Amino acid sequence: EVQLVQSGAEVKKPGESLKISCKGSGYSFTTYWIAWVRQMPGKGLECMGIIYPGDSEIRYGPSFQGQVTISADKSISTAYLRWSSLKASDTAMYYCARHTDDYGAPFDYWGQGTLVTVSS
Amino acid sequence: QSALTQPPSASGSPGQSVTISCTGTSSDVGGFNYVSWYQQHPGKAPKLMIYEVSKRPSGVPDRFSGSKSGNTASLTVSGLQAEDEADYYCSSYAGRNNFKVFGGGTRLTVL
Repeated sequence: EVQLVQSGAEVKKPGESLKISCKGSGYSFTTYWIAWVRQMPGKGLECMGIIYPGDSEIRYGPSFQGQVTISADKSISTAYLRWSSLKASDTAMYYCARHTDDYGAPFDYWGQGTLVTVSS
Repeated sequence: QSALTQPPSASGSPGQSVTISCTGTSSDVGGFNYVSWYQQHPGKAPKLMIYEVSKRPSGVPDRFSGSKSGNTASLTVSGLQAEDEADYYCSSYAGRNNFKVFGGGTRLTVL
């Protein structure tokens, strides 16, 4: 069974750093792309960027370049999303999702989401 | 503001059909046959319902169908059921730099 299991909810202060994770199982982690998708409170979905764990090729969405860092450790089938200095506007639900290529393939499996709350 | 435009709400009675539109440009919806639709119930992760404009993943009822004309894609839900009440998001491939763009979502209410 394909599963993407994300790390738990986080409450942080502005300026703090954070790294959340997404562990894949039930499939070959290195042959599928992983996307990170943001959903701000009461808002729609936004693709932040994608990574191919097989060779760590990364692409960032135009609005997210320089704002976050995406990485992966294929030895433990885990992808990461990192902030070096959080802002209140980073408060959102973050999902990871699997897709087969960096072209038109849909996001066929999703993690359960990680809620990040940034508040002083 | 989302890249793709969806109506904020749609509704229908049980058994009826409802169609949700998703309007983009020739750089996304109109340029590629890579439109997907996702269903999201409150507090849950999105679920893939339609991909490549009109294909259904295994397990998705055939009451859900997709189509596209020019820069506008559509999702039709036939024979509405109570469990179809959810938010629906369209998505399209938008080229190497933008990759995937989403619509703002449509809340479907089953009356």
